[in-house]
Amino acid sequence: GEDVEQSLFLSVREGDSSVINCTYTDSSSTYLYWYKQEPGAGLQLLTYIFSNMDMKQDQRLTVLLNKKDKHLSLRIADTQTGDSAIYFCAERTQNNAGNMLTFGGGTRLMVKP
Amino acid sequence: DAMVIQNPRYQVTQFGKPVTLSCSQTLNHNVMYWYQQKSSQAPKLLFHYYDKDFNNEADTPDNFQSRRPNTSFCFLDIRSPGLGDAAMYLCATSPRDRGREQYFGPGTRLTVT
Repeated sequence: GEDVEQSLFLSVREGDSSVINCTYTDSSSTYLYWYKQEPGAGLQLLTYIFSNMDMKQDQRLTVLLNKKDKHLSLRIADTQTGDSAIYFCAERTQNNAGNMLTFGGGTRLMVKP
Repeated sequence: DAMVIQNPRYQVTQFGKPVTLSCSQTLNHNVMYWYQQKSSQAPKLLFHYYDKDFNNEADTPDNFQSRRPNTSFCFLDIRSPGLGDAAMYLCATSPRDRGREQYFGPGTRLTVT
């Protein structure tokens, strides 16, 4: 079955880099995503990576995918206090009913000034 | 500019009193999803519509129903809310054929008193 796991917490100082890790089990995943959720808000898509890529960079965000180990990471460079939020990784699986996401439990990122 | 709209943002209902949450989209997407998210947990898919086809997750309680009268609107009905149904309810959409991601609304936080 599908299972996506993340560590619960990460604390960094402002200006440092943050690395949030995720492991998944479904080798047929086509896309993997990172979503950000601020308190009391919905999920905001940050970035995604197609499964045939091993890296994607988007401004301060770098996504690394190790498909062999089924490991995904999100690196945030120059972390700011506004980056404090919960980060969810998700894998996409597809069936006849459409585009399904399986979410990890979320990593709470705390950025200290 | 709002693409996925949820109303109301905050809803208080009494134990056992039926409540309806609404979602609308301006994206003309085929697929609409309802998720339940309890505090500090991952979103859990309740059901989704592929056009008019309703797809219920196996572990979604019978207490939860949904309606999709047209492409733009989707409703979540909780027939007899219990205290355990207090959560954030997230609506999301995706296009069928080229959908890489799901677009989330801001959520409705439901309190049951």
